[in-house]
Amino acid sequence: GAVVSQHPSRVICKSGTSVKIECRSLDFQATTMFWYRQFPKQSLMLMATSNEGSKATYEQGVEKDKFLINHASLTLSTLTVTSAHPEDSSFYICSARDQTERPEAFFGQGTRLTVV
Amino acid sequence: GQNIDQPTEMTATEGAIVQINCTYQTSGFNGLFWYQQHAGEAPTFLSYNVLDGLEEKGRFSSFLSRSKGYSYLLLKELQMKDSASYLCAVVDSNYQLIWGAGTKLIIKP
Repeated sequence: GAVVSQHPSRVICKSGTSVKIECRSLDFQATTMFWYRQFPKQSLMLMATSNEGSKATYEQGVEKDKFLINHASLTLSTLTVTSAHPEDSSFYICSARDQTERPEAFFGQGTRLTVV
Repeated sequence: GQNIDQPTEMTATEGAIVQINCTYQTSGFNGLFWYQQHAGEAPTFLSYNVLDGLEEKGRFSSFLSRSKGYSYLLLKELQMKDSASYLCAVVDSNYQLIWGAGTKLIIKP
């Protein structure tokens, strides 16, 4: 149990376009999901906390108008990178906790975004 | 500020034992996680400690001392597939996960 599915796993897009990444909890309900970004050889950087039915909470320095987060249901959160630029190229990972049972966070497979 | 320290890189030999240390200074403590992350992949859960002592799970063990702000991950009978980054993460008083930068473990034959 406690599987988090994220897709796409890889995406290449042109500068100026938008990319949507989906994160689904497959066998549990996630009232809260987390979106991370990870640059090569660096640790996970929390971008925002996604709350079902309400606005996301963004970390300092993360542009909420650029990284749009929607948590429309208890099993789905989406991250849309708008007007992407090459510096947005990174590894984006979502995670969620099955808070009714286990303390650990489960991660999606991650999305490798390359903006050309 | 909140801080988690772990070595950047370690090298060990196949079949041997390696200990990866993690020290932390956080606002409150509600548990410590160890995750394994292979290059280009998402982290996978290894262990969770909230009380002092040693938790053993197969070839992997994790130790916690809350008074010292210290944990270690012990890997026994190392295999080549254990080559990965190992991330230490602490849950603070706000139940936020604070991540260390990770330790890259290189296993040599």
